Amino acid sequence: DAGVIQSPRHEVTEMGQEVTLRCKPISGHDYLFWYRQTMMRGLELLIYFNNNVPIDDSGMPEDRFSAKMPNASFSTLKIQPSEPRDSAVYFCASSPGTGTGRQPQHFGDGTRLSIL
Amino acid sequence: KQEVTQIPAALSVPEGENLVLNCSFTDSAIYNLQWFRQDPGKGLTSLLLIQSSQREQTSGRLNASLDKSSGRSTLYIAASQPGDSATYLCAALSGGSYIPTFGRGTSLIVHP
Repeated sequence: DAGVIQSPRHEVTEMGQEVTLRCKPISGHDYLFWYRQTMMRGLELLIYFNNNVPIDDSGMPEDRFSAKMPNASFSTLKIQPSEPRDSAVYFCASSPGTGTGRQPQHFGDGTRLSIL
Repeated sequence: KQEVTQIPAALSVPEGENLVLNCSFTDSAIYNLQWFRQDPGKGLTSLLLIQSSQREQTSGRLNASLDKSSGRSTLYIAASQPGDSATYLCAALSGGSYIPTFGRGTSLIVHP
Protein backbone atom coordinates (compact mmCIF):
# COMPACT_ATOMS: atom_id res chain seq x y z
CA ASP A 1 0.00 0.00 0.00
CA ALA A 2 1.54 3.32 -1.04
CA GLY A 3 1.99 5.84 1.72
CA VAL A 4 1.79 9.60 1.51
CA ILE A 5 3.95 10.75 -1.39
CA GLN A 6 5.62 14.14 -1.42
CA SER A 7 7.64 15.83 -4.13
CA PRO A 8 10.22 17.07 -4.52
CA ARG A 9 12.27 15.54 -1.70
CA HIS A 10 14.72 18.43 -1.80
CA GLU A 11 14.38 21.94 -3.18
CA VAL A 12 17.04 24.62 -3.27
CA THR A 13 16.10 27.95 -4.77
CA GLU A 14 16.91 31.60 -4.54
CA MET A 15 15.07 34.14 -2.51
CA GLY A 16 12.11 35.63 -4.35
CA GLN A 17 11.37 32.55 -6.42
CA GLU A 18 8.06 30.73 -6.33
CA VAL A 19 8.14 27.31 -4.67
CA THR A 20 5.50 24.61 -5.10
CA LEU A 21 5.40 21.53 -2.91
CA ARG A 22 3.21 18.60 -3.83
CA CYS A 23 1.46 15.87 -1.90
CA LYS A 24 -0.50 12.76 -2.78
CA PRO A 25 -2.39 11.44 0.25
CA ILE A 26 -3.25 7.83 0.92
CA SER A 27 -6.25 6.79 -1.11
CA GLY A 28 -9.45 6.94 0.92
CA HIS A 29 -8.12 9.36 3.49
CA ASP A 30 -10.37 12.37 3.73
CA TYR A 31 -8.13 14.57 5.89
CA LEU A 32 -4.90 16.15 4.69
CA PHE A 33 -2.46 18.18 6.76
CA TRP A 34 0.53 20.37 5.91
CA TYR A 35 3.23 20.82 8.58
CA ARG A 36 6.51 22.68 8.80
CA GLN A 37 9.41 21.49 10.95
CA THR A 38 12.35 23.62 12.04
CA MET A 39 14.94 23.33 14.78
CA MET A 40 13.72 26.57 16.34
CA ARG A 41 9.98 25.96 16.37
CA GLY A 42 9.60 22.19 16.08
CA LEU A 43 6.64 20.79 14.15
CA GLU A 44 3.88 23.27 13.33
CA LEU A 45 0.58 22.66 11.59
CA LEU A 46 0.09 25.09 8.71
CA ILE A 47 -3.30 24.08 7.31
CA TYR A 48 -5.59 21.09 7.05
CA PHE A 49 -8.28 19.99 4.63
CA ASN A 50 -11.34 17.78 5.00
CA ASN A 51 -12.82 16.37 1.82
CA ASN A 52 -10.72 18.83 -0.20
CA VAL A 53 -12.03 21.86 1.71
CA PRO A 54 -9.62 23.96 3.83
CA ILE A 55 -10.83 23.82 7.41
CA ASP A 56 -8.21 25.70 9.40
CA ASP A 57 -5.41 27.77 7.93
CA SER A 58 -4.56 29.70 11.08
CA GLY A 59 -1.07 28.24 11.04
CA MET A 60 -0.19 29.66 7.64
CA PRO A 61 2.51 32.21 8.45
CA GLU A 62 1.51 34.93 5.99
CA ASP A 63 -0.04 35.72 2.65
CA ARG A 64 3.00 34.45 0.81
CA PHE A 65 1.81 30.94 1.66
CA SER A 66 -1.15 29.31 -0.05
CA ALA A 67 -2.45 25.75 -0.22
CA LYS A 68 -4.92 24.04 -2.50
CA MET A 69 -6.52 20.66 -2.80
CA PRO A 70 -8.19 20.44 -6.22
CA ASN A 71 -9.14 16.79 -5.75
CA ALA A 72 -8.95 13.97 -3.23
CA SER A 73 -5.59 12.72 -4.48
CA PHE A 74 -3.54 15.88 -4.78
CA SER A 75 -2.58 18.96 -2.79
CA THR A 76 -0.06 21.77 -3.23
CA LEU A 77 1.60 24.21 -0.88
CA LYS A 78 2.93 27.28 -2.61
CA ILE A 79 5.26 29.99 -1.35
CA GLN A 80 5.51 33.16 -3.41
CA PRO A 81 7.82 34.97 -3.04
CA SER A 82 10.09 32.72 -0.99
CA GLU A 83 12.39 34.03 1.74
CA PRO A 84 15.38 32.47 3.54
CA ARG A 85 13.32 32.12 6.75
CA ASP A 86 11.02 29.73 4.91
CA SER A 87 13.80 27.16 4.88
CA ALA A 88 12.48 24.08 6.69
CA VAL A 89 11.23 20.57 6.17
CA TYR A 90 7.61 20.55 5.02
CA PHE A 91 5.53 17.48 5.74
CA CYS A 92 2.23 16.35 4.38
CA ALA A 93 0.09 13.89 6.33
CA SER A 94 -3.26 12.24 5.75
CA SER A 95 -5.78 10.53 7.96
CA PRO A 96 -8.93 8.47 7.44
CA GLY A 97 -10.67 10.91 9.74
CA THR A 98 -10.25 12.84 12.96
CA GLY A 99 -13.93 13.25 13.68
CA THR A 100 -13.69 10.61 16.36
CA GLY A 101 -10.03 11.19 17.02
CA ARG A 102 -9.44 7.49 16.55
CA GLN A 103 -7.33 7.47 13.42
CA PRO A 104 -3.60 8.18 13.42
CA GLN A 105 -2.02 10.47 10.88
CA HIS A 106 0.28 9.04 8.22
CA PHE A 107 3.20 11.23 7.22
CA GLY A 108 5.14 11.57 4.00
CA ASP A 109 8.94 11.76 4.03
CA GLY A 110 8.88 15.53 3.66
CA THR A 111 10.36 18.14 1.37
CA ARG A 112 13.58 19.74 2.59
CA LEU A 113 13.42 23.33 1.38
CA SER A 114 16.41 25.66 1.33
CA ILE A 115 15.99 29.27 0.27
CA LEU A 116 19.29 30.99 -0.48
CA LYS B 1 -3.53 27.19 24.29
CA GLN B 2 -2.22 23.65 24.58
CA GLU B 3 1.48 23.25 25.25
CA VAL B 4 3.30 19.93 25.06
CA THR B 5 6.68 19.34 26.70
CA GLN B 6 8.95 16.34 26.34
CA ILE B 7 11.67 15.48 28.80
CA PRO B 8 14.46 14.63 28.37
CA ALA B 9 15.38 16.29 25.09
CA ALA B 10 18.06 13.68 24.50
CA LEU B 11 18.87 10.30 25.94
CA SER B 12 21.71 7.84 25.40
CA VAL B 13 21.49 4.34 26.85
CA PRO B 14 23.23 0.99 26.43
CA GLU B 15 21.45 -1.76 24.59
CA GLY B 16 19.10 -3.85 26.71
CA GLU B 17 17.96 -1.12 29.08
CA ASN B 18 14.32 -0.43 29.77
CA LEU B 19 13.56 3.25 29.40
CA VAL B 20 10.80 5.80 29.83
CA LEU B 21 10.13 8.87 27.74
CA ASN B 22 7.94 11.59 29.20
CA CYS B 23 5.35 13.87 27.66
CA SER B 24 3.36 16.50 29.55
CA PHE B 25 0.51 18.69 28.34
CA THR B 26 -1.11 21.75 29.90
CA ASP B 27 -4.74 21.30 28.82
CA SER B 28 -6.18 18.02 30.09
CA ALA B 29 -9.22 18.26 27.81
CA ILE B 30 -7.58 16.17 25.13
CA TYR B 31 -9.26 13.90 22.62
CA ASN B 32 -6.29 11.59 22.25
CA LEU B 33 -2.54 11.46 22.58
CA GLN B 34 -0.28 9.97 19.95
CA TRP B 35 3.35 8.85 20.01
CA PHE B 36 5.45 9.02 16.86
CA ARG B 37 8.91 7.95 15.83
CA GLN B 38 11.00 10.02 13.43
CA ASP B 39 14.14 8.69 11.79
CA PRO B 40 16.69 11.12 10.27
CA GLY B 41 15.52 12.47 6.94
CA LYS B 42 12.15 10.76 7.26
CA GLY B 43 8.63 11.62 8.22
CA LEU B 44 6.84 10.63 11.39
CA THR B 45 5.64 7.08 11.94
CA SER B 46 2.74 6.56 14.31
CA LEU B 47 3.59 4.17 17.14
CA LEU B 48 0.67 4.30 19.53
CA LEU B 49 -2.51 6.31 19.88
CA ILE B 50 -4.32 6.51 23.21
CA GLN B 51 -7.91 7.73 23.31
CA SER B 52 -8.89 10.02 26.17
CA SER B 53 -10.98 7.21 27.68
CA GLN B 54 -8.04 4.81 27.73
CA ARG B 55 -5.17 4.53 30.15
CA GLU B 56 -2.64 2.67 28.06
CA GLN B 57 -1.81 1.04 24.75
CA THR B 58 0.75 -1.63 23.97
CA SER B 59 2.54 -2.67 20.81
CA GLY B 60 5.33 -5.18 21.09
CA ARG B 61 8.05 -3.76 23.33
CA LEU B 62 6.30 -0.40 23.52
CA ASN B 63 3.77 0.65 26.11
CA ALA B 64 2.22 4.10 26.33
CA SER B 65 0.23 5.32 29.29
CA LEU B 66 -2.01 8.33 29.72
CA ASP B 67 -2.96 10.19 32.88
CA LYS B 68 -5.20 13.07 31.88
CA SER B 69 -5.66 14.39 35.39
CA SER B 70 -1.95 15.01 35.79
CA GLY B 71 -1.42 15.98 32.16
CA ARG B 72 1.13 13.26 31.49
CA SER B 73 1.88 10.45 29.13
CA THR B 74 4.83 8.09 29.16
CA LEU B 75 6.29 5.83 26.50
CA TYR B 76 7.98 2.76 27.93
CA ILE B 77 10.46 0.89 25.74
CA ALA B 78 11.47 -2.52 27.00
CA ALA B 79 14.81 -4.15 26.26
CA SER B 80 16.02 -1.31 24.04
CA GLN B 81 17.91 -2.09 20.82
CA PRO B 82 20.17 0.01 18.57
CA GLY B 83 17.35 0.01 16.01
CA ASP B 84 15.24 1.98 18.46
CA SER B 85 17.53 4.98 17.96
CA ALA B 86 15.37 7.81 16.64
CA THR B 87 13.51 10.90 17.78
CA TYR B 88 10.24 10.22 19.59
CA LEU B 89 7.48 12.84 19.52
CA CYS B 90 4.17 13.00 21.29
CA ALA B 91 1.15 14.95 20.07
CA ALA B 92 -1.98 15.91 21.98
CA LEU B 93 -5.24 16.40 20.11
CA SER B 94 -7.26 18.91 22.08
CA GLY B 95 -10.96 18.39 22.49
CA GLY B 96 -11.90 21.78 21.12
CA SER B 97 -10.21 21.33 17.78
CA TYR B 98 -8.77 18.73 15.49
CA ILE B 99 -5.35 20.33 15.48
CA PRO B 100 -2.64 18.28 17.22
CA THR B 101 0.00 20.01 19.32
CA PHE B 102 3.41 18.36 19.09
CA GLY B 103 6.20 18.23 21.61
CA ARG B 104 9.78 18.98 20.50
CA GLY B 105 10.73 15.31 20.82
CA THR B 106 13.23 13.16 22.68
CA SER B 107 16.29 12.13 20.68
CA LEU B 108 17.19 8.58 21.68
CA ILE B 109 20.46 6.80 21.02
CA VAL B 110 20.81 3.14 21.99
CA HIS B 111 24.42 2.06 21.72
CA PRO B 112 25.58 -1.55 21.42
